[in-house]
Amino acid sequence: DSGVTQTPKHLITATGQRVTLRCSPRSGDLSVYWYQQSLDQGLQFLIQYYNGEERAKGNILERFSAQQFPDLHSELNLSSLELGDSALYFCASSVAVEAATEQFFGPGTRLTVL
Amino acid sequence: DQQVKQNSPSLSVQEGRISILNCDYTNSMFDYFLWYKKYPAEGPTFLISISSIKDKNEDGRFTVFLNKSAKHLSLHIVPSQPGDSAVYFCAASGGSQGNLIFGKGTKLSVKP
Repeated sequence: DSGVTQTPKHLITATGQRVTLRCSPRSGDLSVYWYQQSLDQGLQFLIQYYNGEERAKGNILERFSAQQFPDLHSELNLSSLELGDSALYFCASSVAVEAATEQFFGPGTRLTVL
Repeated sequence: DQQVKQNSPSLSVQEGRISILNCDYTNSMFDYFLWYKKYPAEGPTFLISISSIKDKNEDGRFTVFLNKSAKHLSLHIVPSQPGDSAVYFCAASGGSQGNLIFGKGTKLSVKP
């Protein structure tokens, strides 16, 4: 158990809909990262927050947004969903602001868009 | 364009033998490399890392080798155990890439 929790574990929805994925980092970790893993792909970095502030952006679509709240939990919002958004979405956390450090991953949320 | 490549999607090894997982990268500015292991239905877990100032790092049965001139790193597992069966991801960061760039993973199967 990494100490990072993600809810829900599974999400099935339709095209055009909007969903929110939630992540609670390990106790004491200030950085939260979101990754997308599509079929046969590696983990694609989406976005990082550090202590409530956006720190870095990767290949995140404009239809996607995220935020980190004062209690350090984070939410990833996906809107106008398309079939291609079906993927595993992982949240990770770390103590430091630098991403080049050990990141602890949650179990992921499997999103299926029908 | 993939900056971190794991060219072998899968690898099968007999229990007790050595497993060697390979990873190539294209960005010469990368200066920190990590290996993660992932079991089905779980998130990746950190295994071992290496900084570019070193060419080897060892932790128990796991050793990572870095060849900067060839832009290549490898993970050696000796001896391999059935519990090592998982997908292994190589990741790198450095330069303008402040965040981790992951390869697509190699699925290791260790047969009893």
